[in-house]
Amino acid sequence: AQKVTQAQTEISVVEKEDVTLDCVYETRDTTYYLFWYKQPPSGELVFLIRRNSFDEQNEISGRYSWNFQKSTSSFNFTITASQVVDSAVYFCALRGGSNYKLTFGKGTLLTVNP
Amino acid sequence: DGGITQSPKYLFRKEGQNVTLSCEQNLNHDAMYWYRQDPGQGLRLIYYSQIVNDFQKGDIAEGYSVSREKKESFPLTVTSAQKNPTAFYLCASRQTDNYGYTFGSGTRLTVV
Repeated sequence: AQKVTQAQTEISVVEKEDVTLDCVYETRDTTYYLFWYKQPPSGELVFLIRRNSFDEQNEISGRYSWNFQKSTSSFNFTITASQVVDSAVYFCALRGGSNYKLTFGKGTLLTVNP
Repeated sequence: DGGITQSPKYLFRKEGQNVTLSCEQNLNHDAMYWYRQDPGQGLRLIYYSQIVNDFQKGDIAEGYSVSREKKESFPLTVTSAQKNPTAFYLCASRQTDNYGYTFGSGTRLTVV
């Protein structure tokens, strides 16, 4: 069984603050894929990043960075110098290597206030 | 531009009526998926299809039906047997040799 837990239901920050969104996952697969998606108020899901289980190299892309740690089954997402446009629901998702199902966490609502 | 089109964006139906949500993709993707989103619940898988004329139930298939007669199309019917149909429905597709999923913009269904 696969499970993704996003313990933070809502986070509110002031513009320019750094914010980290937590994601913890469970899977029995040795090969798996982790994703982060952003859902703005308009509703569509915007792909942010995919990470393979065999690649623990952390990544930075502009103001975004991701910290993947297999030892703690975590895949956290950090936004540096947050902006109002970052306000959205962020979803962490997991796909096991042996199936085609993408399992989502319940999402974290991030509100960035000016 | 390639993508997934879901129509309509907003849909209202009376209780007891079946309703079909459209999902069309021009990405030439093999696999297609339907997810349901409720506030605070994340996305839950309803049905998925890996090839034409084949589909499997997801975690919450009861009260829903699908068809996959064409590669480009994966319509979802919300039947009167679905006890709580009001929700946001998202369609997605994926090429089988690629692990990226592309999502449509969703249909918000309200049953009154």
